Amino acid sequence: DAGVTQSPTHLIKTRGQHVTLRCSPISGHKSVSWYQQVLGQGPQFIFQYYEKEERGRGNFPDRFSARQFPNYSSELNVNALLLGDSALYLCASSQDRFEKLFFGSGTQLSVL
Amino acid sequence: EDQVTQSPEALRLQEGESSSLNCSYTVSGLRGLFWYRQDPGKGPEFLFTLYSAGEEKEKERLKATLTKKESFLHITAPKPEDSATYLCAVQEGRGTGNQFYFGTGTSLTVIP
Repeated sequence: DAGVTQSPTHLIKTRGQHVTLRCSPISGHKSVSWYQQVLGQGPQFIFQYYEKEERGRGNFPDRFSARQFPNYSSELNVNALLLGDSALYLCASSQDRFEKLFFGSGTQLSVL
Repeated sequence: EDQVTQSPEALRLQEGESSSLNCSYTVSGLRGLFWYRQDPGKGPEFLFTLYSAGEEKEKERLKATLTKKESFLHITAPKPEDSATYLCAVQEGRGTGNQFYFGTGTSLTVIP
C-alpha cells in the first residue's frame, strides 16, 4: 500500500510569493494533519482536518490556510512568504482523529 | 511553555553499547505518548505508542517505557543502522483535535 505522498518534494520561492503544498493520505485514512519542522527542531502543529472539516489549528498566522477535499487529500497554502517560513512541511494521516500519525517525506520549502 | 523535553540532544555510541533516551513531559491529561524515528530528509516513522504509566513496548533492539512524568527509549546493543533522530511526542486528552506536541529529538549516532 502507498504511504502518505506529498508534492512537490522541494520548492524555492521568494519573499512575498504564495505557495501550495499537496498531500495524499494513506487509503482509508480520513484525517490529515500538517506540521512545520525547522532544522534542528521537532515538528510544530499547523492544522488538522477530519472529514473535510478543520478540527485543530496551531499557533500560526492567518497567512497559513488549508483544506481537505472529498477524496481526503489536502492542500496547505501559505501567502506572503517570509524568510522564516523556510522549513520542512510534513503531512500526516491517521485513520481517526485521535490515532497515531503516519508521515509523508515532506516538502522542503526554501524562501529567498 | 515546553511540554516535551528530550535528553540528551545528541548521543554517540559504539556498536553494541546500550543506552537510554529520555523524554519528560508536562500535559494536563495524557492521551498517549509516541516515539518516532526520523532519518535525514525524511518524515518521522512511527515506533511505539504508550498510554498509561507502567506500560512497556518492544521492537527489535528498542524498548519504550512510560511513567507519569517521563518515558525512556532503551536501545540494546545498537547497530549503525539505528543511527537517526528519535522524536518523542505527547497527545493531550482534551479538545476535539489530535495535536501532537513534539520534543526537539535526540540525534543518535552509532559508530561501527
